[in-house]
Amino acid sequence: EPEVTQTPSHQVTQMGQEVILRCVPISNHLYFYWYRQILGQKVEFLVSFYNNEISEKSEIFDDQFSVERPDGSNFTLKIRSTKLEDSAMYFCASSGYAGQVTDTQYFGPGTRLTVL
Amino acid sequence: QKEVEQDPGPLSVPEGAIVSLNCTYSNSAFQYFMWYRQYSRKGPELLMYTYSSGNKEDGRFTAQVDKSSKYISLFIRDSQPSDSATYLCAMSGFQKLVFGTGTRLLVSP
Repeated sequence: EPEVTQTPSHQVTQMGQEVILRCVPISNHLYFYWYRQILGQKVEFLVSFYNNEISEKSEIFDDQFSVERPDGSNFTLKIRSTKLEDSAMYFCASSGYAGQVTDTQYFGPGTRLTVL
Repeated sequence: QKEVEQDPGPLSVPEGAIVSLNCTYSNSAFQYFMWYRQYSRKGPELLMYTYSSGNKEDGRFTAQVDKSSKYISLFIRDSQPSDSATYLCAMSGFQKLVFGTGTRLLVSP
């Protein structure tokens, strides 16, 4: 069964450093997303990406964040200058085959980001 | 008022019990309703997906949507210890999912 994969599983970084979280969405999916979950809190939407551009973003997704689909398989989330409050689980999700409008989003296992 | 409200639990039941998990929402624009299961420190796993009001059944799981009351439910029949997890409701108008806080379910043998 196809699945979303994410690397690394755990990333530790110093405050102010740049991090890149990587995701490989399900093959042939067209819509890609990043969510985050701070420990003990709910899953929160960050950004959606379609046709090589951001289609929607939340208030959390400020200028420190960026997303990119550098090739046909990877989808990345970059945090330019990490803050302590960026510590969270970051989930990538994908959905939507060509010709099908669906919000059935499939999630990856997550990257746990720890900012020291 | 929060967009999506869900009792965080924990909800403790004996094996074999019928479990009822619920969410209420305030945004009438929501059209798609999902239930995810999340084990500790893992990604959400899609369980059920519904679009319209009514019931949808898949094995031991039944999802129910009442758009007029802005209320959705997930029923688990013959609950098993392996069902112990956090259950997240999620909903959307298009693309962006809005999640509830999740209900932690504990099924004891």
